[in-house]
Amino acid sequence: SSELTQDPAVSVALGQTVRITCQGDSLRIYYASWYQQKPGQAPVLVIYGKNNRPSGIPDRFSGSNSENTASLTITGALAEDEADYYCNSRDNSGHRLGVFGGGTKLTVL
Amino acid sequence: EVQLVQSGAEVKKPGESLKISCKGSGYSFTTHWIAWVRQMPGKGLEWMGIIYPDDSDARYSPSFQGQVTISADKSISTAYLQWTSLKASDTAIYYCAREILDPAYYGMDVWGQGTTVIVSS
Repeated sequence: SSELTQDPAVSVALGQTVRITCQGDSLRIYYASWYQQKPGQAPVLVIYGKNNRPSGIPDRFSGSNSENTASLTITGALAEDEADYYCNSRDNSGHRLGVFGGGTKLTVL
Repeated sequence: EVQLVQSGAEVKKPGESLKISCKGSGYSFTTHWIAWVRQMPGKGLEWMGIIYPDDSDARYSPSFQGQVTISADKSISTAYLQWTSLKASDTAIYYCAREILDPAYYGMDVWGQGTTVIVSS
């Protein structure tokens, strides 16, 4: 099976730029997707594929990929971006299984 | 409106059985894989398994294989997650989510509201 590794916590000053990373062998083959989860709410997809945003997701969210690392960047972080962020990808089994990273708690200072 | 609506919260005793549901609407239910995701109290998201409602092809994470059963009834656009003998460690919020249709991409673009399952004696 595959694993995806995220930093448990990251902080950013209001209005600044923050990058959240996700590492794993499966990311050499598959793009990661990224989800935002606020307390008491279901996750919301914010980035998928090379750098695609679903309808309604602000353009301050962007994604990038390099070898075994996927990154989510928030440019000009707002207070409302404070949340848990999870990366997600297929695993290496070839059976269409998925795997999540452990999640990153983003604090906006 | 595209949505997944899950069944309500459950409180069960250890050893009891349970089947929770996830009903899709606003789109063709048979053409998107549906995933189930666990979130234990205060913890992260865990990918449990998926099902293709058109033919009920179900696949499981090794961590959940044999522990749960995923099924679907395409005639009523509903997917299910089932336990035969619950344990206290099954206490969690369970989400269903729709996979993106485009095979070039991976992700889950529509999520249910979550079903809270509490297992306690």
